[in-house]
Amino acid sequence: AQTVTQSQPEMSVQEAETVTLSCTYDTSESDYYLFWYKQPPSRQMILVIRQEAYKQQNATENRFSVNFQKAAKSFSLKISDSQLGDAAMYFCAYRSPHLNNNDMRFGAGTRLTVKP
Amino acid sequence: GAGVSQSPSNKVTEKGKDVELRCDPISGHTALYWYRQSLGQGLEFLIYFQGNSAPDKSGLPSDRFSAERTGGSVSTLTIQRTQQEDSAVYLCASGTGKTQYFGPGTRLLVL
Repeated sequence: AQTVTQSQPEMSVQEAETVTLSCTYDTSESDYYLFWYKQPPSRQMILVIRQEAYKQQNATENRFSVNFQKAAKSFSLKISDSQLGDAAMYFCAYRSPHLNNNDMRFGAGTRLTVKP
Repeated sequence: GAGVSQSPSNKVTEKGKDVELRCDPISGHTALYWYRQSLGQGLEFLIYFQGNSAPDKSGLPSDRFSAERTGGSVSTLTIQRTQQEDSAVYLCASGTGKTQYFGPGTRLLVL
């Protein structure tokens, strides 16, 4: 079974600085999807960024970018120019391309604190 | 457009009572998921509906938990004879394929 590991339970960053959240996963498939979700105290899970494994180019969404290393099965999230509103739990997730079963796995999460 | 909605937002119940949690997915989304999230923890998969296929119930923790999805749209998660360990946030998500979009969750507290 595919597993997703977030080795950093907590991270802290100074406002306006850059922080990188780590995620590794285990899979035997060659095609899949990877996601980062943000969950602020309001508990609404918000999609931050998505990466398709067949794309070599790293996904970017404004201040959020990923470093996707397929061979190393690593999918880290970089947040640039951190803002107070970035404080939240961040979950890394893996999804199989096979839609007829549930194969969406979440990491345990990383709690990000942003210091003013 | 409208996102995934869930009701109630919060539910307090007494141990032993039954509860129903509702999820309204985004219109047109064929996939619907239920997850449970205990305080400060990650997401625990409960059940998955995909179109007209038989649901994947492999995550339901006991036979006190059940879910249905009527007409391929609204879903109801039912917990019978609630226990204190059922206290958690129950999250619903819907999607068309690659990506899941989450609702705001229902916080359940069993006294």
